[in-house]
Amino acid sequence: SQQGEEDPQALSIQEGENATMNCSYKTSINNLQWYRQNSGRGLVHLILIRSNEREKHSGRLRVTLDTSKKSSSLLITASRAADTASYFCVPPPPGGTSYGKLTFGQGTILTVHP
Amino acid sequence: GAGVSQSPSNKVTEKGKDVELRCDPISGHTALYWYRQRLGQGLEFLIYFQGNSAPDKSGLPSDRFSAERTGESVSTLTIQRTQQEDSAVYLCASSDRGRGNIQYFGAGTRLSVL
Repeated sequence: SQQGEEDPQALSIQEGENATMNCSYKTSINNLQWYRQNSGRGLVHLILIRSNEREKHSGRLRVTLDTSKKSSSLLITASRAADTASYFCVPPPPGGTSYGKLTFGQGTILTVHP
Repeated sequence: GAGVSQSPSNKVTEKGKDVELRCDPISGHTALYWYRQRLGQGLEFLIYFQGNSAPDKSGLPSDRFSAERTGESVSTLTIQRTQQEDSAVYLCASSDRGRGNIQYFGAGTRLSVL
């Protein structure tokens, strides 16, 4: 299975600023997911973008996908202290099946200072 | 509706004892996954169940680990003769086939082996 590689490893910003995290992956995909993990427990799915979509929004989140470059980005606008978490981009299992184990990378650790 | 429920939330045990961790998936979800996360480490896949198919046990680290699932409901992860290196947060997730493998995670069970 493949995993995404997030960049930067860590990001520190002030409340109200925007945060941008990048992701690269190695093989062709039919979708890409982003997850968030607070305080080392409880992973939460944020958004799924399909390979035929270039951009997708959900609240203060904006995700882009460039399949030609095998890359994605997650933008959090007007960040809040509660956005402090690790963020992971997760490609699907091999074969693009609709189920199967997900492989998580090291993530981007985002710290938002009040 | 109710999310993925795991119990207990915390478990302290002595080295050499057996432990059972329980996971109640979201009702109707056909797939159920177990992962673990050691302190400061990434998420590590253990096992997953999909409907009536044979489970994918490829992530179980040793034969001390086993898991069962009754139909499409509750799952139990059993660790026999626990070792200190088994200390971790054990996360369960479930997914609904046809939704791009979006996995919904429980809050986890924090296992401490003394």
